[in-house]
Amino acid sequence: GEDVEQSLFLSVREGDSSVINCTYTDSSSTYLYWYKQEPGAGLQLLTYIFSNMDMKQDQRLTVLLNKKDKHLSLRIADTQTGDSAIYFCAESGSSNTGKLIFGQGTTLQVKP
Amino acid sequence: DAGVIQSPRHEVTEMGQEVTLRCKPISGHNSLFWYRQTMMRGLELLIYFNNNVPIDDSGMPEDRFSAKMPNASFSTLKIQPSEPRDSAVYFCASSFQTGEKLFFGSGTQLSVL
Repeated sequence: GEDVEQSLFLSVREGDSSVINCTYTDSSSTYLYWYKQEPGAGLQLLTYIFSNMDMKQDQRLTVLLNKKDKHLSLRIADTQTGDSAIYFCAESGSSNTGKLIFGQGTTLQVKP
Repeated sequence: DAGVIQSPRHEVTEMGQEVTLRCKPISGHNSLFWYRQTMMRGLELLIYFNNNVPIDDSGMPEDRFSAKMPNASFSTLKIQPSEPRDSAVYFCASSFQTGEKLFFGSGTQLSVL
C-alpha cells in the first residue's frame, strides 16, 4: 500500500543547515512534494520534484530524490527562526489523481 | 487570486448539532479535496471532487459526514450529528486538475463539546 514515513522532530541552530528526510513506498508516484505548515495555518506548498529528477534547487531549498531507495530529502540552508514549522512530505501515488499521501510531518525547531 | 477560502475559521458546537463547513476553491481549479487533521491520525483525505463530481469518498468516516459541490466555486462538508471525536482541523484544497499540486485553505478548527 501507499505509505510515507518521516521522523517527527528536528532541532537545529540558526544559521545551520537542516535536513528533513522522508521515505515513501509507491515507486510509480509522478510527483513528490514538500509542504510547510506554520502554527494555526494551512499547508503551504514549498517545493516539489518530478520523479525523473534527482535534485531540485530553489534558493535555500534543495530537494534530493533517490528513487532506488524511495528516499526524499529537503535541505534548508542557513536555517532561520522563521523556518520553524511542520514540514510534510507527500507523494502523488500511482493514480495521479491529486490524492496526495502525506507523511506524519516533521516539526523543525530552530534555536537562536 | 485570494487562494482557497474556507469558512468559518473556528467553529465551536455542542454534540448532536449540525455543522457545515464551506470552501471556495481557486478559480479555474477543477479538483477539490477535503482533508482532516488531528494529532493522532495526521492528515486524512475525506473526499475529493473532479469537475464537481465526487470521485472518491472512501475516507469519509461514516454516514454522519456528507459533502457536496453544487458548482465549480463552492463546496460544503456537513457533519450531522456532530460528536466530540469529530474535533479536528478540516482543510479544503484545490488543484488545476488531478495530478497537479494542491493549494490548501487556512482550515476550519472544529471543536465539538
